[in-house]
Amino acid sequence: GAGVSQTPSNKVTEKGKYVELRCDPISGHTALYWYRQSLGQGPEFLIYFQGTGAADDSGLPNDRFFAVRPEGSVSTLKIQRTERGDSAVYLCASSPDRAGTGELFFGEGSRLTVL
Amino acid sequence: AQSVSQHNHHVILSEAASLELGCNYSYGGTVNLFWYVQYPGQHLQLLLKYFSGDPLVKGIKGFEAEFIKSKFSFNLRKPSVQWSDTAEYFCAVRPSSGSARQLTFGSGTQLTVLP
Repeated sequence: GAGVSQTPSNKVTEKGKYVELRCDPISGHTALYWYRQSLGQGPEFLIYFQGTGAADDSGLPNDRFFAVRPEGSVSTLKIQRTERGDSAVYLCASSPDRAGTGELFFGEGSRLTVL
Repeated sequence: AQSVSQHNHHVILSEAASLELGCNYSYGGTVNLFWYVQYPGQHLQLLLKYFSGDPLVKGIKGFEAEFIKSKFSFNLRKPSVQWSDTAEYFCAVRPSSGSARQLTFGSGTQLTVLP
């Protein structure tokens, strides 16, 4: 389909392991966002890309979290030394223009469970 | 930094009842306001948005919201709900100017409509 695609849809890992979550945005969308949603909460901002560069990474909780978007399309969120508190649904969204219509197109999320 | 409060965590209505979901935000400047909806098993999608002009905005599926600047509110309304409106509803805000493009979400309101 033409929507935002996220893989894997579910990931179970052990504490201390490394995890990568992938986001394939809608073709042509220049802005890409990562959010994290814990149970009973709304999406919490992590990082925003405009093209290849991270325009705002103020939401990343600590230096175990890192994200890249090397060619301005697909993005990968990387989590090192996972902790149980990292368990959440990680949402990716894209948006078509720099000016920002405000409409974010979300994927279905990657559910991460850290045992 | 901006924040959003949604006071109703879970609302249960019968079909044809009227709906109003509360949303209040905190921010010192002008804002853009949004309501997103997440139907069971689906991704988040935009319901409606306010940027400027008429404070009463209409969205998809008969929803509307009114921006009351003096109350820092953006409540969502629908005159007659349907069973298919069962979903989680999120209010979101972002500054209308500046480099910050990400949305700040509230914690959501789960709406259950009984047939």
